[in-house]
Amino acid sequence: QVQLVESGGGLVKPGESLRLSCAASGFTFSDYYMTWIRQAPGKGLEWVSYISSSGSSIYYADSVKGRFTISRDSAENSLYLQMNSLRAEDTAIYYCARLIRPGRYFDYWGQGTLVTVSS
Amino acid sequence: QSALTQPPSVSGSPGQSVTISCTGTSSDVGRYNRVSWYQQPPGTAPKLMIYEVSNRPSGVPDRFSGSKSGNTASLTISGLQAEDEADYFCSSYTSSSTYVFGSGTKVTV
Repeated sequence: QVQLVESGGGLVKPGESLRLSCAASGFTFSDYYMTWIRQAPGKGLEWVSYISSSGSSIYYADSVKGRFTISRDSAENSLYLQMNSLRAEDTAIYYCARLIRPGRYFDYWGQGTLVTVSS
Repeated sequence: QSALTQPPSVSGSPGQSVTISCTGTSSDVGRYNRVSWYQQPPGTAPKLMIYEVSNRPSGVPDRFSGSKSGNTASLTISGLQAEDEADYFCSSYTSSSTYVFGSGTKVTV
């Protein structure tokens, strides 16, 4: 069965960096686009970024462009999110999710990892 | 990209029907049939309930249905059950090749 397991969350200070990971299993990772979606405490969902199956096509939300970098390693079946210059408003649960096809929908989600940005 | 507009909350008694609206623009909801809906009970990850406006994944009860007219998509839950109590979010692909989510609706049974 499809499993997505995020890790790497924690408490950091404003301006610091953090790298999230998402370990994928139960499907051919290299065949699928993958995405990061976040949810601030008590708030709604916000799409953050997605990456194509080959890694050659990447898109970001304006709120994270220039600060966050998405990447993937098909040999490790893993998705990453490098987050730099973190701000208080980046505090959220970060979910990785599988995109069934480009431009379509998110069919499987991980359980999320919490990132807290606070001094 | 502004969030799609959903009502903050809807409620109904067991067995009744409720409908959640999701209003976007001609650059997202109105442009593509790529609206999806996600259910999120408290403390859990979102779960896909409807994809491409009106399609149900395997395992989702047929009490859940979706539709779209112009820039507004809708999710209807018929025969409301206690287990349907959750937050519901719509999502759409956009003309900028990005995604946008709705503001979320809390369904109370």
